[in-house]
Amino acid sequence: LAKTTQPISMDSYEGQEVNITCSHNNIATNDYITWYQQFPSQGPRFIIQGYKTKVTNEVASLFIPADRKSSTLSLPRVSLSDTAVYYCLVGGYNKLIFGAGTRLAVHP
Amino acid sequence: DVKVTQSSRYLVKRTGEKVFLECVQDMDHENMFWYRQDPGLGLRLIYFSYDVKMKEKGDIPEGYSVSREKKERFSLILESASTNQTSMYLCASKWQTSNSPLHFGNGTRLTVT
Repeated sequence: LAKTTQPISMDSYEGQEVNITCSHNNIATNDYITWYQQFPSQGPRFIIQGYKTKVTNEVASLFIPADRKSSTLSLPRVSLSDTAVYYCLVGGYNKLIFGAGTRLAVHP
Repeated sequence: DVKVTQSSRYLVKRTGEKVFLECVQDMDHENMFWYRQDPGLGLRLIYFSYDVKMKEKGDIPEGYSVSREKKERFSLILESASTNQTSMYLCASKWQTSNSPLHFGNGTRLTVT
């Protein structure tokens, strides 16, 4: 089972780009990389998912190098409302184990 | 939109009580999961189920059991609640494909006194 490692916390300011990197050295061939965002007193919600190279949607980009042993979530021009915990999850469809997550604080 | 509904938002129980946490999803997902979340420890997997009546242990199954009699419903059972089971409990569901994301409920905050 792929274990993930992320920074415990990060600080940023409004309008900046934030990059959060997750390492997953023993990712399996069939595993996808999925990022979730969690606000206090809510369940995590899906942000973005990828298998390789780059994926972009309306809220974030996900960069995955060729060896897939890490991934980087990129949040463009963050706002105060992006203050949350971000989780990187690597896996297929069964025993899905979360890492500790990254607590992002966005300051005015 | 997928909806995962947890029966209670807040629950207070006494030590030794049998506690049932219910979760229902409306998307016919095959897989369902129970996590607990504690400050500084992230989300820890208790049990998951990939089909009706099928279950597998997660990382911290001790003190818990689960039941999945119908596809849409996944119950977490604390046979004899203890104070160290005070936590936020999160249910999630997904399709049984590798690229299907998890959909979470809003959690049940359980306090055992």
